[in-house]
Amino acid sequence: DFQMTQSPSSLSASVGGRVTITCRASQTISIYLNWYQQKPGKAPKLLIFAASSLQSGVPSRFSGSGSGTDFTLTISNLQPEDVATYYCQQSYNTPQLTFGGGTKVELK
Amino acid sequence: QEQLVQSGAEVKKPGASVRVSCKASGYTFTSYYVHWVRQAPGQGLEWMGIINPSYGDTNYAQRIQGRVTMTRDTSTNTVYMDLSSLKSEDTAVYYCAREDKFCSPTTCYIYLDVWGEGTTVTVSS
Repeated sequence: DFQMTQSPSSLSASVGGRVTITCRASQTISIYLNWYQQKPGKAPKLLIFAASSLQSGVPSRFSGSGSGTDFTLTISNLQPEDVATYYCQQSYNTPQLTFGGGTKVELK
Repeated sequence: QEQLVQSGAEVKKPGASVRVSCKASGYTFTSYYVHWVRQAPGQGLEWMGIINPSYGDTNYAQRIQGRVTMTRDTSTNTVYMDLSSLKSEDTAVYYCAREDKFCSPTTCYIYLDVWGEGTTVTVSS
């Protein structure tokens, strides 16, 4: 079974700061990796697909990198509206998808 | 605009069944697969399965195989998720989501780009 491990599980950062979230796959997945943002009481929203491609309409302060087993989501210039939980998700094993456990981002 | 609209909240007793619907609009229904994802209270996202609205073929997560059935009605652009033999652990928000893809010359990368608003299912005696 595929496992996606995110770290940290939560973090706090200041407005204007830089946030880095990591996601590790239990097997190599090339760049079949997506990132989603979920705000409380809302459905997830696609941010990044294919590890580093920004979804249309998503602010450029969000960026993704990595390949193989190790991936990173970076939020530069953190804004109050970025407070949310972020999930990675592999699509290498399609149609069966696997999500990471999530990383909760709060303001310091 | 492209959207998925889900049915309303449900409260069920253990052992009962539930049906959640997901109506698509703003795009060609049969051109995009639909996934179901659930989220237990305070927990992460769990993939449940996928349906091809064009032919109706499905693939389910092993953990719930045998209890879940996904179907579609092309006359109303609606997909359905039925879950039977409900347990308290099935209490969750259930989401449907559209699968889209980005293709390079050699492969395609899939992602979930349009999500329903979620349907809360509560299982309690």
